Amino acid sequence: DAGITQSPRHKVTETGTPVTLRCHQTENHRYMYWYRQDPGHGLRLIHYSYGVKDTDKGEVSDGYSVSRSKTEDFLLTLESATSSQTSVYFCAIRSGQGGSNEQFFGPGTRLTVL
Amino acid sequence: RKEVEQDPGPFNVPEGATVAFNCTYSNSASQSFFWYRQDCRKEPKLLMSVYSSGNEDGRFTAQLNRASQYISLLIRDSKLSDSATYLCVVNPPGSGGYNKLIFGAGTRLAVHP
Repeated sequence: DAGITQSPRHKVTETGTPVTLRCHQTENHRYMYWYRQDPGHGLRLIHYSYGVKDTDKGEVSDGYSVSRSKTEDFLLTLESATSSQTSVYFCAIRSGQGGSNEQFFGPGTRLTVL
Repeated sequence: RKEVEQDPGPFNVPEGATVAFNCTYSNSASQSFFWYRQDCRKEPKLLMSVYSSGNEDGRFTAQLNRASQYISLLIRDSKLSDSATYLCVVNPPGSGGYNKLIFGAGTRLAVHP
Protein backbone atom coordinates (compact mmCIF):
# COMPACT_ATOMS: atom_id res chain seq x y z
CA ASP A 1 0.00 0.00 0.00
CA ALA A 2 1.62 3.24 -1.19
CA GLY A 3 -0.62 5.42 0.96
CA ILE A 4 -2.33 7.19 -1.93
CA THR A 5 -5.92 8.33 -1.84
CA GLN A 6 -7.95 10.11 -4.47
CA SER A 7 -11.10 12.15 -4.10
CA PRO A 8 -13.75 12.11 -5.22
CA ARG A 9 -13.86 8.50 -6.38
CA HIS A 10 -16.77 9.17 -8.72
CA LYS A 11 -18.10 12.38 -10.17
CA VAL A 12 -20.70 13.33 -12.73
CA THR A 13 -20.63 16.89 -13.97
CA GLU A 14 -21.87 19.00 -16.83
CA THR A 15 -19.99 20.43 -19.77
CA GLY A 16 -18.45 23.78 -18.99
CA THR A 17 -18.17 23.37 -15.23
CA PRO A 18 -14.84 23.41 -13.40
CA VAL A 19 -13.75 20.21 -11.69
CA THR A 20 -10.90 19.57 -9.26
CA LEU A 21 -9.58 16.14 -8.43
CA ARG A 22 -7.38 15.58 -5.43
CA CYS A 23 -4.54 13.16 -4.89
CA HIS A 24 -3.18 12.75 -1.37
CA GLN A 25 -0.14 10.76 -0.30
CA THR A 26 1.14 10.10 3.18
CA GLU A 27 4.74 9.02 2.54
CA ASN A 28 6.44 12.24 1.49
CA HIS A 29 7.21 11.16 -2.08
CA ARG A 30 8.69 13.87 -4.24
CA TYR A 31 7.37 12.80 -7.64
CA MET A 32 3.65 12.67 -8.37
CA TYR A 33 1.77 12.08 -11.62
CA TRP A 34 -1.70 12.40 -13.09
CA TYR A 35 -2.82 9.98 -15.81
CA ARG A 36 -6.02 9.34 -17.66
CA GLN A 37 -7.12 5.95 -18.93
CA ASP A 38 -9.49 5.44 -21.84
CA PRO A 39 -10.55 2.28 -23.68
CA GLY A 40 -8.05 1.27 -26.33
CA HIS A 41 -5.37 3.53 -24.92
CA GLY A 42 -2.71 2.98 -22.35
CA LEU A 43 -2.54 5.30 -19.42
CA ARG A 44 -1.54 8.71 -20.71
CA LEU A 45 0.35 11.27 -18.68
CA ILE A 46 -1.44 14.57 -18.12
CA HIS A 47 0.88 16.44 -15.76
CA TYR A 48 3.53 15.58 -13.26
CA SER A 49 5.25 17.20 -10.31
CA TYR A 50 8.79 16.91 -9.02
CA GLY A 51 8.31 18.95 -5.88
CA VAL A 52 6.23 21.61 -4.22
CA LYS A 53 5.27 24.17 -6.85
CA ASP A 54 7.31 22.30 -9.46
CA THR A 55 5.06 20.88 -12.17
CA ASP A 56 5.25 20.20 -15.88
CA LYS A 57 3.08 19.05 -18.76
CA GLY A 58 2.70 15.54 -19.95
CA GLU A 59 1.46 14.05 -23.20
CA VAL A 60 -2.21 15.15 -22.93
CA SER A 61 -2.16 18.35 -20.87
CA ASP A 62 -4.54 20.52 -22.94
CA GLY A 63 -7.58 21.51 -20.86
CA TYR A 64 -5.94 20.55 -17.55
CA SER A 65 -3.97 22.42 -14.93
CA VAL A 66 -2.34 21.23 -11.73
CA SER A 67 -1.12 22.60 -8.46
CA ARG A 68 1.07 21.32 -5.69
CA SER A 69 1.28 23.61 -2.72
CA LYS A 70 2.16 20.82 -0.26
CA THR A 71 4.20 17.67 -0.71
CA GLU A 72 1.26 15.46 0.12
CA ASP A 73 -1.35 16.97 -2.22
CA PHE A 74 -1.43 17.13 -6.01
CA LEU A 75 -4.54 18.70 -7.51
CA LEU A 76 -5.80 18.28 -11.08
CA THR A 77 -8.23 20.90 -12.38
CA LEU A 78 -10.39 20.82 -15.46
CA GLU A 79 -11.08 24.51 -15.97
CA SER A 80 -14.13 23.92 -18.17
CA ALA A 81 -14.99 20.26 -18.46
CA THR A 82 -15.78 18.76 -21.87
CA SER A 83 -17.26 15.39 -22.79
CA SER A 84 -13.87 14.31 -24.16
CA GLN A 85 -12.55 14.51 -20.61
CA THR A 86 -14.85 11.71 -19.48
CA SER A 87 -12.31 9.18 -18.30
CA VAL A 88 -10.77 7.40 -15.36
CA TYR A 89 -8.08 9.48 -13.71
CA PHE A 90 -5.24 7.90 -11.79
CA CYS A 91 -2.70 9.57 -9.59
CA ALA A 92 0.68 7.94 -9.05
CA ILE A 93 3.84 8.40 -7.03
CA ARG A 94 7.36 7.34 -7.78
CA SER A 95 8.82 5.35 -4.98
CA GLY A 96 12.40 6.33 -5.73
CA GLN A 97 13.77 3.71 -3.36
CA GLY A 98 17.23 2.68 -4.47
CA GLY A 99 16.86 4.83 -7.56
CA SER A 100 13.82 2.85 -8.65
CA ASN A 101 11.57 4.15 -11.42
CA GLU A 102 8.60 2.18 -10.23
CA GLN A 103 5.32 4.03 -9.88
CA PHE A 104 2.43 3.19 -7.59
CA PHE A 105 -1.12 4.23 -8.22
CA GLY A 106 -4.06 5.55 -6.32
CA PRO A 107 -7.50 3.93 -6.65
CA GLY A 108 -8.67 6.27 -9.42
CA THR A 109 -11.46 8.77 -10.00
CA ARG A 110 -14.17 7.95 -12.49
CA LEU A 111 -15.31 11.21 -14.10
CA THR A 112 -18.30 11.58 -16.38
CA VAL A 113 -18.92 14.85 -18.20
CA LEU A 114 -22.42 15.13 -19.62
CA ARG B 1 3.48 3.34 -34.75
CA LYS B 2 2.64 3.33 -31.06
CA GLU B 3 5.55 3.60 -28.66
CA VAL B 4 4.44 0.48 -26.80
CA GLU B 5 2.31 -2.15 -28.49
CA GLN B 6 0.55 -5.14 -27.03
CA ASP B 7 -1.86 -7.72 -28.37
CA PRO B 8 -5.14 -6.77 -26.69
CA GLY B 9 -6.30 -10.39 -26.47
CA PRO B 10 -8.28 -11.74 -24.80
CA PHE B 11 -6.21 -14.78 -24.10
CA ASN B 12 -8.61 -17.46 -22.86
CA VAL B 13 -6.74 -20.29 -21.14
CA PRO B 14 -7.67 -23.14 -18.80
CA GLU B 15 -6.38 -23.32 -15.27
CA GLY B 16 -2.91 -24.80 -15.15
CA ALA B 17 -1.94 -23.60 -18.61
CA THR B 18 1.18 -21.66 -19.46
CA VAL B 19 0.59 -18.39 -21.27
CA ALA B 20 2.98 -15.81 -22.68
CA PHE B 21 2.51 -12.19 -23.66
CA ASN B 22 4.82 -10.10 -25.75
CA CYS B 23 5.13 -6.36 -25.93
CA THR B 24 7.14 -4.35 -28.43
CA TYR B 25 8.56 -0.87 -27.90
CA SER B 26 9.69 1.59 -30.52
CA ASN B 27 12.55 3.46 -28.87
CA SER B 28 15.67 1.34 -28.79
CA ALA B 29 17.22 3.55 -26.12
CA SER B 30 14.49 2.85 -23.57
CA GLN B 31 15.92 2.10 -20.20
CA SER B 32 13.45 0.63 -17.74
CA PHE B 33 10.68 -1.85 -18.29
CA PHE B 34 7.83 -3.09 -16.16
CA TRP B 35 4.78 -5.31 -16.16
CA TYR B 36 1.72 -4.10 -14.29
CA ARG B 37 -1.46 -5.98 -13.59
CA GLN B 38 -4.85 -4.26 -13.65
CA ASP B 39 -8.06 -5.81 -12.44
CA CYS B 40 -11.38 -4.60 -13.77
CA ARG B 41 -12.18 -1.10 -12.51
CA LYS B 42 -9.09 -1.04 -10.30
CA GLU B 43 -5.77 0.73 -10.37
CA PRO B 44 -2.71 -0.76 -12.07
CA LYS B 45 -0.44 -2.64 -9.68
CA LEU B 46 3.21 -3.36 -10.26
CA LEU B 47 3.75 -7.01 -11.07
CA MET B 48 7.46 -6.95 -11.75
CA SER B 49 10.30 -4.92 -13.14
CA VAL B 50 12.09 -6.38 -16.14
CA TYR B 51 15.84 -6.59 -16.00
CA SER B 52 18.28 -7.16 -18.83
CA SER B 53 19.14 -10.57 -17.42
CA GLY B 54 15.48 -11.51 -17.09
CA ASN B 55 13.80 -12.16 -13.79
CA GLU B 56 11.47 -14.62 -12.18
CA ASP B 57 8.99 -14.28 -9.38
CA GLY B 58 7.23 -17.51 -8.56
CA ARG B 59 5.10 -18.49 -11.54
CA PHE B 60 5.95 -15.31 -13.42
CA THR B 61 8.98 -14.81 -15.65
CA ALA B 62 9.82 -11.60 -17.47
CA GLN B 63 12.40 -11.28 -20.21
CA LEU B 64 13.82 -8.40 -22.19
CA ASN B 65 15.12 -8.69 -25.73
CA ARG B 66 16.83 -5.42 -26.58
CA ALA B 67 17.93 -6.50 -30.05
CA SER B 68 14.33 -7.13 -31.11
CA GLN B 69 12.87 -4.50 -28.80
CA TYR B 70 10.37 -6.65 -27.01
CA ILE B 71 9.50 -7.67 -23.51
CA SER B 72 7.77 -10.88 -22.59
CA LEU B 73 5.81 -12.15 -19.62
CA LEU B 74 5.34 -15.86 -19.03
CA ILE B 75 2.81 -17.15 -16.57
CA ARG B 76 3.03 -20.80 -15.60
CA ASP B 77 0.34 -22.90 -13.96
CA SER B 78 -2.33 -20.24 -14.50
CA LYS B 79 -4.81 -19.61 -11.70
CA LEU B 80 -8.30 -18.20 -11.90
CA SER B 81 -6.98 -15.25 -9.92
CA ASP B 82 -4.54 -14.42 -12.73
CA SER B 83 -7.46 -13.17 -14.82
CA ALA B 84 -6.71 -9.49 -15.39
CA THR B 85 -5.26 -7.06 -17.90
CA TYR B 86 -1.48 -6.99 -18.08
CA LEU B 87 0.12 -3.67 -18.95
CA CYS B 88 3.55 -3.37 -20.53
CA VAL B 89 5.34 -0.20 -19.41
CA VAL B 90 8.49 1.42 -20.75
CA ASN B 91 10.62 4.31 -19.52
CA PRO B 92 11.88 5.95 -22.70
CA PRO B 93 14.96 8.14 -22.94
CA GLY B 94 14.53 11.87 -22.73
CA SER B 95 12.40 11.91 -19.63
CA GLY B 96 15.39 12.87 -17.56
CA GLY B 97 14.91 12.05 -13.94
CA TYR B 98 11.18 12.58 -14.16
CA ASN B 99 10.36 9.01 -15.05
CA LYS B 100 7.65 9.67 -17.62
CA LEU B 101 6.46 6.17 -18.30
CA ILE B 102 4.76 4.99 -21.49
CA PHE B 103 2.00 2.42 -21.05
CA GLY B 104 0.74 -0.15 -23.49
CA ALA B 105 -3.01 -0.54 -23.80
CA GLY B 106 -2.86 -3.93 -22.12
CA THR B 107 -3.41 -7.60 -22.83
CA ARG B 108 -6.45 -9.21 -21.29
CA LEU B 109 -6.12 -12.68 -19.78
CA ALA B 110 -9.11 -14.82 -18.85
CA VAL B 111 -8.38 -18.07 -17.02
CA HIS B 112 -11.28 -20.51 -16.92
CA PRO B 113 -11.87 -23.66 -14.85
